[in-house]
Amino acid sequence: DTGVSQNPRHKITKRGQNVTFRCDPISEHNRLYWYRQTLGQGPEFLTYFQNEAQLEKSRLLSDRFSAERPKGSFSTLEIQRTEQGDSAMYLCASSTGGGAGSPLHFGNGTRLTVT
Amino acid sequence: SQQGEEDPQALSIQEGENATMNCSYKTSINNLQWYRQNSGRGLVHLILIRSNEREKHSGRLRVTLDTSKKSSSLLITASRAADTASYFCATDAPDSNYQLIWGAGTKLIIKP
Repeated sequence: DTGVSQNPRHKITKRGQNVTFRCDPISEHNRLYWYRQTLGQGPEFLTYFQNEAQLEKSRLLSDRFSAERPKGSFSTLEIQRTEQGDSAMYLCASSTGGGAGSPLHFGNGTRLTVT
Repeated sequence: SQQGEEDPQALSIQEGENATMNCSYKTSINNLQWYRQNSGRGLVHLILIRSNEREKHSGRLRVTLDTSKKSSSLLITASRAADTASYFCATDAPDSNYQLIWGAGTKLIIKP
């Protein structure tokens, strides 16, 4: 178990640029989640994959955000035309199943700063 | 909006003392989880308690759940400096099979 890996750890970008983050889940985990966390707050759900299928997406998620998990393994989260309000920690987590009753294994996140 | 609310927001105690954190939630749940987060890192799962359970233990951790009061508590006994972290509770969302809804966390500082 090598854990959930996220790259890059930090990303600084100018407003209006596009950014892409990558998440490599634990290999035997078929469920993958993206969360966003701002300072002093708990994580906020963004989207969920079961294998390669994106089964749920937050209603709060702007159309500028898109996520993929093309082969049911790693996932990417892209933010287009970044805004300063997108500055946050983006967390990826994976689990083996059981819906919301399964413990999540988190990566260490990608911290995005939009200037 | 966040389902869980942790109390207190911050807690500072001496090493060796016990730390108690509380979580309240708004709607009925199937289970409740506690996680720990060290500064700048991801969250680590600590314990899951199901709605039909009242108490659960794991090492120095004790979690209670009172569904009638819609609240849970996390007790860390004999605290250590390494317990310094933020602690979050998470519950299943009422309209989703996959989402967890999180509180804002309790920031725990253990003074050596």
